[in-house]
Amino acid sequence: DTGVSQNPRHKITKRGQNVTFRCDPISEHNRLYWYRQTLGQGPEFLTYFQNEAQLEKSRLLSDRFSAERPKGSFSTLEIQRTEQGDSAMYLCASSLFTTSYEQYFGPGTRLTVT
Amino acid sequence: SQQGEEDPQALSIQEGENATMNCSYKTSINNLQWYRQNSGRGLVHLILIRSNEREKHSGRLRVTLDTSKKSSSLLITASRAADTASYFCATEGTSGSRLTFGEGTQLTVNP
Repeated sequence: DTGVSQNPRHKITKRGQNVTFRCDPISEHNRLYWYRQTLGQGPEFLTYFQNEAQLEKSRLLSDRFSAERPKGSFSTLEIQRTEQGDSAMYLCASSLFTTSYEQYFGPGTRLTVT
Repeated sequence: SQQGEEDPQALSIQEGENATMNCSYKTSINNLQWYRQNSGRGLVHLILIRSNEREKHSGRLRVTLDTSKKSSSLLITASRAADTASYFCATEGTSGSRLTFGEGTQLTVNP
């Protein structure tokens, strides 16, 4: 399968713990995006990378959130000191910026903070 | 915050009927895209229409864009039970490549 993959698919954690999610984009794609989606809502943009550079961050991305894409391939999203309000689906997408504006989404990581 | 609004929020039709969903947005855009999401899963790209285009077709999908009214519609013809899903419009603004999604339309196609 050459689509976008995300791990883990589900994560249950206790409030105050740190969690890290991983996204592996489609291999030739140079842009990688993170979105968050809560139940009954559309996805909300968090941040995106072009190659290894983080080019934009949403105001939704508090200082407890950090994302990296160290070699321009996979990316990680870390949430420190999780809160119940962080419970959501975290979606990763990738695109090949030079030829297409379409974003290809992974299956998401569902985070539940208890 | 979400830029777009989608109408209706929920739509229930019989197999074979057409389904029309509408999307409105607030700012200037480079393009508008429609995505489908099956329950609890990731989004699947359906179709993209650029700001200088007015209508686009792909299989059973027809998308229109009216930039003067800042609105778009998605028509699914001859619907099937497998079309049951949530449908989202997403706009790419003129300043960058982030997508801003609407709140979605939940489509149910009854066999």
